[in-house]
Amino acid sequence: KAGVTQTPRYLIKTRGQQVTLSCSPISGHRSVSWYQQTPGQGLQFLFEYFSETQRNKGNFPGRFSGRQFSNSRSEMNVSTLELGDSALYLCASSLEPEPPAQYFGPGTRLLVL
Amino acid sequence: DQQVKQNSPSLSVQEGRISILNCDYTNSMFDYFLWYKKYPAEGPTFLISISSIKDKNEDGRFTVFLNKSAKHLSLHIVPSQPGDSAVYFCAASGGSNYKLTFGKGTLLTVNP
Repeated sequence: KAGVTQTPRYLIKTRGQQVTLSCSPISGHRSVSWYQQTPGQGLQFLFEYFSETQRNKGNFPGRFSGRQFSNSRSEMNVSTLELGDSALYLCASSLEPEPPAQYFGPGTRLLVL
Repeated sequence: DQQVKQNSPSLSVQEGRISILNCDYTNSMFDYFLWYKKYPAEGPTFLISISSIKDKNEDGRFTVFLNKSAKHLSLHIVPSQPGDSAVYFCAASGGSNYKLTFGKGTLLTVNP
């Protein structure tokens, strides 16, 4: 079974631009979560989607948004990019209802200049 | 407020010996705990998990122990292999909230 895939793998943007990242979960997984990893803050939860609905949201500004499609694929969008948004963005999927183990993709490395 | 803490940033062990990675948590609502392994430029790989109704779970060379009263869990790797060298993250979730709260990670180096 194929794992979680994320595109693109690497991205360079400039301040003020917006970016959209894509995630395809493991087949059959309906929950998709997004995390941001930075050297200073570690892995931080952004949001989680299930059946096209956002169920949980982390402590990030409204510039960070996401959505999930009917085939469980998910996208996250960051508007008005700031230098501090440079990070590894990780997508994870899990099989409902139990166990809540999440399986991660390889991540998208975003660099904001 | 860091709810999941891995107090050792790094650990070095000899090949064949036991590696013990520790994790403490503060949130009593956490009822599911996971360990992930991460190589640079890759996503975390799920290793093993444990529910709060258990105190031990084993999978091959990996064993996780949970001490609820101390709010402490540990991952034992026996025997350690050079390929185990990576950053290990402890994570926790609580109730119906599927959000994972991660520790900062411990860099394990297994020397041949």
